[in-house]
Parts: sequence; C-alpha cells; structure tokens
Amino acid sequence: DVKVTQSSRYLVKRTGEKVFLECVQDMDHENMFWYRQDPGLGLRLIYFSYDVKMKEKGDIPEGYSVSREKKERFSLILESASTNQTSMYLCASSLGLQENTEAFFGQGTRLTVV
Amino acid sequence: AQTVTQSQPEMSVQEAETVTLSCTYDTSESNYYLFWYKQPPSRQMILVIRQEAYKQQNATENRFSVNFQKAAKSFSLKISDSQLGDTAMYFCAFMTSGTYKYIFGTGTRLKVLA
Repeated sequence: DVKVTQSSRYLVKRTGEKVFLECVQDMDHENMFWYRQDPGLGLRLIYFSYDVKMKEKGDIPEGYSVSREKKERFSLILESASTNQTSMYLCASSLGLQENTEAFFGQGTRLTVV
Repeated sequence: AQTVTQSQPEMSVQEAETVTLSCTYDTSESNYYLFWYKQPPSRQMILVIRQEAYKQQNATENRFSVNFQKAAKSFSLKISDSQLGDTAMYFCAFMTSGTYKYIFGTGTRLKVLA
C-alpha cells in the first residue's frame, strides 16, 4: 500500500513557537505538497517541491517555509506560530513528470495555536 | 489565475438514489486535467475519478461518473446508487499541463441518509 505519513494528527502550540510538521512518503515520488484546509476555503497550496532541495511557493506561503533534504521527506515550518495559522494541514505526494497522476494524501495534522 | 468553484457547500441524498455534485473551473489553457477527491470523516483524502481535458468521453468508475462539458468549463460528479459510505467531503481539483500542481475547490459536504 502506498503511504504518506504525517508525524502528528493533533498538535497544540503556543504563539511565537517555531513549529515543524513532518511528512514522509514511501512511494519514491518526486512531487510533494503542503496544503492548508479551512472550512469554506477548501485546500490552499502553501508550498510545492518537485525535487530534493527544490521548492516553489504556492498561493499562501507567508509565515511558512519548507525543507526537503531527502526525497521522501518534506517538512513544513512555521517560523513563529500565530493564532491565524490554526488549521488542518495536509501533505501530499505525486509521481513527477506525469500530469494525470493522482496525489496521495496523508491523514492530516490538526494544528491549534494558542 | 485558475480557479475552481463548487457552488454547493452541502448536499444530502437518500441511500440508493443518485446525486450530482457540480464543479466549474476557469482557465485559459487548453490542456489540463480534472479530478474528484473524496475526504471521509476519517480525513484521508482519496481519488475518486479523473478526466483528461483532451478526451471527449466522460470518465466512469463503477458508481461514479462525470459530466465533462469543456466549452462550459463544467465538471460534475454523479454518484449512482448512493451508499452510506459515500458520506464525505468531495473536492473538485484541476491541474494545468506542465505545472504538476493541484488547485482545489472549496468542497461539497455530502451526507447519505439511511
């Protein structure tokens, strides 16, 4: 079975903390994504990586950064967490250079910033 | 900018009946791909069905089929013989050829009633 695993399902952090959300895939996929899911807003792309150490900003990158040192791992970093970053975060991966390929998703991390 | 619109935030259907979820998109590109994803209450997002824009024939997957109207930029999902397990959030998604990034709509919450 293909798998995308996010390190935590629930996370509570304090305002101003540096937060790391980890995602690992075991499918040797080139592309990896971080989305944020909010009610009424759907999924919004934060960052996209198409290769190791390669990244591209999505629609809402402000307040976030990412790291991809190894092909299987894609980390989302909240440099200084704020309450408006309370949300569901979804990681996904897909096979590179195949346009009709499906994205495989992790189970999501519900982050609460207090 | 490409956008995906799902105008029905919530829908319900009786078990065994048919329901149609609507999706429209906006793009100036001619080559692209469309997807429907399902997110059950357990939150793992999975692919339901996909369609290549260059194909005239509508995609089908068992009880799921699409009505793809390219000129109208419409991509609706029909679920036949609805089952309780179809209860979920459904997201329409779009990918422009060459970008490998998925753009999602705001989702439709579908409830199948016993």
